[in-house]
Amino acid sequence: EAGVAQSPRYKIIEKRQSVAFWCNPISGHATLYWYQQILGQGPKLLIQFQNNGVVDDSQLPKDRFSAERLKGVDSTLKIQPAKLEDSAVYLCASSLVSPRNIETGNTIYFGEGSWLTVV
Amino acid sequence: SQQGEEDPQALSIQEGENATMNCSYKTSINNLQWYRQNSGRGLVHLILIRSNEREKHSGRLRVTLDTSKKSSSLLITASRAADTASYFCATDATNAGGTSYGKLTFGQGTILTVHP
Repeated sequence: EAGVAQSPRYKIIEKRQSVAFWCNPISGHATLYWYQQILGQGPKLLIQFQNNGVVDDSQLPKDRFSAERLKGVDSTLKIQPAKLEDSAVYLCASSLVSPRNIETGNTIYFGEGSWLTVV
Repeated sequence: SQQGEEDPQALSIQEGENATMNCSYKTSINNLQWYRQNSGRGLVHLILIRSNEREKHSGRLRVTLDTSKKSSSLLITASRAADTASYFCATDATNAGGTSYGKLTFGQGTILTVHP
């Protein structure tokens, strides 16, 4: 079974530039997540989709971050304009069901992450 | 804000020893999960424990949950150098009525180093 695919793996941009990350979840997974992980910290949920609808985006800085999940499959996370503090790993994850219905053996699967450095 | 807080922040042991990591959280939960993250990689799910469970085992992993103390522990027995990684707990919190919010909140993690 193919895992969660993310691209690009690494990106270096100057502040005030824009960047976009792409995620292809595991086939059939209804729930898709974008997490931001700053070095030395745990992942912070930015946005959670159920199919193509937004379940939670309470921690997404909407003045500069946007995300979409067209057709309930692939997703794109965009940052415009980027700030120095946006330097982090952006992790995409997917699951068959919502976290409340997660069972052992049917869990959340993470991609390798997209590493962003803003200089 | 982070729901789970792991303790210790860093743990260094010799191969063959046991490693214990603790996680404390603040609100009621539906379930608590532990994940491993190797350096530069994504997170991998290790084990899930539900709020009505007290202990679970999976291979060399043992997880306990004490909802009265809002804490969990992850024990890795007979550690190996390959266990070197960061370990995170994540909680699926519930509201006062016991309904899950349906999202995972991660702690800061414990960095485990196992020396050969």
